[in-house]
Amino acid sequence: DAKTTQPNSMESNEEEPVHLPCNHSTISGTDYIHWYRQLPSQGPEYVIHGLTSNVNNRMASLAIAEDRKSSTLILHRATLRDAAVYYCILRDGSNTGKLIFGQGTTLQVKP
Amino acid sequence: EAGVAQSPRYKIIEKRQSVAFWCNPISGHATLYWYQQILGQGPKLLIQFQNNGVVDDSQLPKDRFSAERLKGVDSTLKIQPAKLEDSAVYLCASSLLQGIVNIQYFGAGTRLSVL
Repeated sequence: DAKTTQPNSMESNEEEPVHLPCNHSTISGTDYIHWYRQLPSQGPEYVIHGLTSNVNNRMASLAIAEDRKSSTLILHRATLRDAAVYYCILRDGSNTGKLIFGQGTTLQVKP
Repeated sequence: EAGVAQSPRYKIIEKRQSVAFWCNPISGHATLYWYQQILGQGPKLLIQFQNNGVVDDSQLPKDRFSAERLKGVDSTLKIQPAKLEDSAVYLCASSLLQGIVNIQYFGAGTRLSVL
């Protein structure tokens, strides 16, 4: 299974942009890059996913490097409610599409 | 739309006892997953169902864990007998279909403490 590498923790100030990096040097051509986040005492929730092109949705933006060996999740204006563990996941290329979670990045947002 | 429902939220048992967790997925979702999340780690898939059939149970400790989804809707996960190392949050998730781009929706989980 392709693996990802993320920093253990990051800090941000409220209302500032946050860039969460993810390295996935062993990504295969058919692997999608997914991001989920887990708020305290809750189950993970979907944030965004992409294959090759940059993606935007109401929650965040995903910037994917041209060689696809890294990506960055961008929260445009962090709020206190964005404090969570963020997981970068390479979606398994088999038909089952199971999620394989790593340690993730714990994001702290300071007021 | 109602989310994934799980019960109970918390359970405390002694080692060697049995325990069962229940999950009701989002209506119409064919695929159901059970994950185990040990404190400080990311969730780990235990078993995946497509309707009432098992797709992947390679990480399920079958000597003590069992799961079923008899009518292709709700599901139960059982541990018998429990060990100390089973202390974890058990998360249920569902998705409309299986596959590489399908979004998984998670419940809040059941926190199990084995004493």
